[in-house]
Amino acid sequence: AQSVTQLDSQVPVFEEAPVELRCNYSSSVSVYLFWYVQYPNQGLQLLLKYLSGSTLVESINGFEAEFNKSQTSFHLRKPSVHISDTAEYFCAVSKAGTASKLTFGTGTRLQVTL
Amino acid sequence: EAGVAQSPRYKIIEKRQSVAFWCNPISGHATLYWYQQILGQGPKLLIQFQNNGVVDDSQLPKDRFSAERLKGVDSTLKIQPAKLEDSAVYLCASSLALGSGGSPLHFGNGTRLTVT
Repeated sequence: AQSVTQLDSQVPVFEEAPVELRCNYSSSVSVYLFWYVQYPNQGLQLLLKYLSGSTLVESINGFEAEFNKSQTSFHLRKPSVHISDTAEYFCAVSKAGTASKLTFGTGTRLQVTL
Repeated sequence: EAGVAQSPRYKIIEKRQSVAFWCNPISGHATLYWYQQILGQGPKLLIQFQNNGVVDDSQLPKDRFSAERLKGVDSTLKIQPAKLEDSAVYLCASSLALGSGGSPLHFGNGTRLTVT
C-alpha cells in the first residue's frame, strides 16, 4: 500500500516570499504523484502531477514540484506567493499504471499575509 | 464543461438518523468516487465505481454506509444510522476512465455533514 506524509500542517508566509510545502511518500512499487489545492468551501482541484519523464513538473500558476525517487519526495515550491495562494494543499499518490485510486496526505495549510 | 455537482451543501442531523447525499459526475466520466474528509485530515476513499459496478469499497463501513450508481451516471451515498464520528465533508469525484493511468480526478464542492 502507498502512504503520504505531509509534515507541515501549517505554513505561514509573507506575500512575494518563496515557499516550499513538503511531501514524502512510501511505496514498494512505482507511483504517480499529485498535488491538489482546496480553496475554502470548495472541492479539491488538481494543481500538478508527475506520471513519468521529466522529474520537474509545473502548474499554470507558478507552482512546481520535483519528483525525487531516492528521497521519496515530491515537494511543492513557488518562488513568490500571492495572497490568492492561501489554501489547503494536499499531496497524493497512486500506484503507477493503475486506476486513479489516490491516497492523500493530511494537507498543509498555506497562509499568505501582507 | 459543467463540473461535478453535489447536493445538499450542508446537512445537520441527530445521531441515529439517516441521511443521503447525491452526486452527478461530469458527463462522460465512467469512474466515480466518494471520499470522506474529516476535519484536519486528508480525504479518504470510501467507494469507487466504474460505470455502475463497484471497483473498491474496502474502506466503506458497510454496516451503516451504502452507495449506489444504478444507471452508471448519478450516485447516492447513504448513512443509516449516523454516528457522531461521521461528521465530515463528503466529496464526490469523477474521472474519465479506470486504468487510464493518472487520469485526474474532478471533485465536487462536497456536502458538509454535522451529526449532533
